[in-house]
Amino acid sequence: QKEVEQDPGPLSVPEGAIVSLNCTYSNSAFQYFMWYRQYSRKGPELLMYTYSSGNKEDGRFTAQVDKSSKYISLFIRDSQPSDSATYLCAMLAAGGTSYGKLTFGQGTILTVHP
Amino acid sequence: DTEVTQTPKHLVMGMTNKKSLKCEQHMGHRAMYWYKQKAKKPPELMFVYSYEKLSINESVPSRFSPECPNSSLLNLHLHALQPEDSALYLCASSQVLFRDIMNTEAFFGQGTRLTVV
Repeated sequence: QKEVEQDPGPLSVPEGAIVSLNCTYSNSAFQYFMWYRQYSRKGPELLMYTYSSGNKEDGRFTAQVDKSSKYISLFIRDSQPSDSATYLCAMLAAGGTSYGKLTFGQGTILTVHP
Repeated sequence: DTEVTQTPKHLVMGMTNKKSLKCEQHMGHRAMYWYKQKAKKPPELMFVYSYEKLSINESVPSRFSPECPNSSLLNLHLHALQPEDSALYLCASSQVLFRDIMNTEAFFGQGTRLTVV
């Protein structure tokens, strides 16, 4: 079983839709959670960073963490064609064999069509 | 300046060639990373440098040889690569190692797209 599971999609939505992207994890040592956006043939760009259960909002993006369920989400409101990219969740463990290393999910390919 | 610059953007090399990938950052970051990313896969960690010293080698074959000549530069020397080594090679940097300050942010470069023929 992978430490981080993320549905690769692809996910296709109309412009203006609310998008929900999700990751589950099995390692209880994961304490820090990130969402990266990666455009085709580009490097990943950090979108959101959170380390506590609950919601964190930044503009159209909301990151949600539920440590009791080992589940994180990224919501995109009023999605735009420019949001079309691959979204990668990433996690940092506070101990154990993955200590100090970013562990990525597989990435979800999102297309927002006009 | 929050930029990590990688050169070249594209590289095609034969299996007997020797080439180098370069990465540069001027954010004063003391941790630098090499990742390999195959198509439709997440980045995989290869090497981590902290204060110009190799901190982590994820059991990478010796045909990949990293070098950190100073705090701003990171190189990846390539020799006798195989076609399966074709991938996007990403450099990243962070203020310090994640294990030193967990809420430190990693900045990625645009990558070098390597094709081995």
